[in-house]
Amino acid sequence: ETGVTQTPRHLVMGMTNKKSLKCEQHLGHNAMYWYKQSAKKPLELMFVYSLEERVENNSVPSRFSPECPNSSHLFLHLHTLQPEDSALYLCASSQDGPSSGANVLTFGAGSRLTVL
Amino acid sequence: GQNIDQPTEMTATEGAIVQINCTYQTSGFYGLSWYQQHDGGAPTFLSYNALDGLEETGRFSSFLSRSDSYGYLLLQELQMKDSASYFCAVPPGNQGGKLIFGQGTELSVKP
Repeated sequence: ETGVTQTPRHLVMGMTNKKSLKCEQHLGHNAMYWYKQSAKKPLELMFVYSLEERVENNSVPSRFSPECPNSSHLFLHLHTLQPEDSALYLCASSQDGPSSGANVLTFGAGSRLTVL
Repeated sequence: GQNIDQPTEMTATEGAIVQINCTYQTSGFYGLSWYQQHDGGAPTFLSYNALDGLEETGRFSSFLSRSDSYGYLLLQELQMKDSASYFCAVPPGNQGGKLIFGQGTELSVKP
């Protein structure tokens, strides 16, 4: 596989469920990101990992918990979500970390989350 | 803080030229990027301007004026497949790859 792969593509969960989103990049990149995309809103940066260390937590509620076990994999653990958390969650990677001038992000196709 | 403005929607005719403008306010500046996103798809990188002037890549060109905090994406010889959302993005200050995105411009290309 090539590029950035996200699973599952669609997820429906209740507010009391616990689920995880998975992202895998096959590009040899050093930084990975989680973005949230809601209808009619800009992409919102949630978390950034550079060389497996979290370098950004953009005031995200604790019901979202990221995990980056290695430079190729990124997870977003979800628990006790709210209906307003329904959105498209996009994973991305970049060659260099956020402190460099790198601006080219490669995105996955996203995980469409619906919270009932 | 950061603020990025671009039109919400635009409509153009197949074969025509369309210009999508983007203005930004950031505490520093590290470049302007453009991304394309088709409905249901992933955003894909189109172009990056670090310096003033025009960058051309096939039918698409991107322009930057740092003194005016302004850029645009120019799409020529429009095709139906160009119907998509287009996002301009700037990094906040000197933080490089942590892009902040505009709300996106939804472009509809009509026959």
